Amino acid sequence: GESVGLHLPTLSVQEGDNSIINCAYSNSASDYFIWYKQESGKGPQFIIDIRSNMDKRQGQRVTVLLNKTVKHLSLQIAATQPGDSAVYFCAEKPPGGYQKVTFGTGTKLQVIP
Amino acid sequence: GAGVSQSPSNKVTEKGKDVELRCDPISGHTALYWYRQSLGQGLEFLIYFQGNSAPDKSGLPSDRFSAERTGGSVSTLTIQRTQQEDSAVYLCASSFSGTAMSRQYFGPGTRLTVT
Repeated sequence: GESVGLHLPTLSVQEGDNSIINCAYSNSASDYFIWYKQESGKGPQFIIDIRSNMDKRQGQRVTVLLNKTVKHLSLQIAATQPGDSAVYFCAEKPPGGYQKVTFGTGTKLQVIP
Repeated sequence: GAGVSQSPSNKVTEKGKDVELRCDPISGHTALYWYRQSLGQGLEFLIYFQGNSAPDKSGLPSDRFSAERTGGSVSTLTIQRTQQEDSAVYLCASSFSGTAMSRQYFGPGTRLTVT
């Protein structure tokens, strides 16, 4: 089911270091995964996505890794900056065209200047 | 182009009153979601509309909550007899749907405060 009433785990990282945010997804059949970033007072925004036929995808300063064996997704942020401070959510989608995307519990990233 | 818009941006209401929250999705998007987010917490799924299919209402917390999507576009989330625990930010998102385009675009949210 959906996450209700959970307090978000927090990751504190020094500016300039790399960040790794982890997510355990629930459906082994999910074929599409997305990471979102939510800054304070705003709605979540898309960062990067990956299909289940891949195990790694890189964007600008971000890399998503997918381990289907253990149903694990991670987001790596290189050279973390203060502007990266936000809550990060992973999301998964079951196979099939019209399936509901579901979100995991978020992780709050705090960048220490 | 225009993104997802929501109105009002803020709503303060008295306990027991009904409220309506509006969402205008991106034109052409067939999927629309409502979420609730309490302060410092994650996204709580409420309801999902996909085209002309029956909505997935599995996340609605009580029968005081309902939502409609008229003409496959604008959606209204209604909360009847509001309670203080309904205070939260209500987020709407839309997506084109389909495997490759399930990316959701979120609106700025409506902050609801029940006094």
